[in-house]
Amino acid sequence: QVQLVQSGAEVKKPGASVKVSCKASGYTFTSYAMHWVRQAPGQRLEWMGWINAGNGDTKYSQKFQGRVTITRDTSAITAYMELSSLGSEDTAVYYCTRGGRGDAFDIWGQGTMVTVSS
Amino acid sequence: DIVMTQSPDSLAVSLGERATINCKSSQSVLYNSNTKNYLAWYQQKPGQPPKLLIYWASTRQSGVPDRFSGSGSGTDFTLTISSLQAEDVAVYYCQQYYSTPRTFGQGTKVEIK
Repeated sequence: QVQLVQSGAEVKKPGASVKVSCKASGYTFTSYAMHWVRQAPGQRLEWMGWINAGNGDTKYSQKFQGRVTITRDTSAITAYMELSSLGSEDTAVYYCTRGGRGDAFDIWGQGTMVTVSS
Repeated sequence: DIVMTQSPDSLAVSLGERATINCKSSQSVLYNSNTKNYLAWYQQKPGQPPKLLIYWASTRQSGVPDRFSGSGSGTDFTLTISSLQAEDVAVYYCQQYYSTPRTFGQGTKVEIK
């Protein structure tokens, strides 16, 4: 069935980087956009950016510009999100999600908890 | 950025009764060329990722029970659960996908009275 499976939880020190992977299955990977959304404890969902899995074009939220990089590997059917210069405010669950009909987010990964702590 | 504001922040409804959640966008999310509202609703249960319920403001995602319905246009939208079931206890979010950055409402927590 259509699913997105993300990499496991991470614990990082302030100033470090984290790279989260998202493996797709059950659909044509290159036909859809992949977005990344995060959710800090008790906070609303926050969009970080997206990649056109077909041509690799990306667009990022201004909030994360310069710190986030979204890539994909079509042979591995996997998208990646790398966030650098981590601070405690980056402690959150990070989700990959597919842009479906009109780009509403129709399929979600299970989430990856990233904890930033010294 | 388009700001999405939901009301109320939480509500408690008796089983079998109607639950109504409102969402207001700071600017219109109606795309005139195709007359579609770029507005979605999601349900999130504890420890789970969000689940798409409604897109284009009123189109139910495949597999979503018909007690969930969406309405509205332009800047004002509503999610209605016609007869609340125990499994509907969750936080509900509206989201606009009209422009980037994509933005979400703050969420509405639905509980059983």
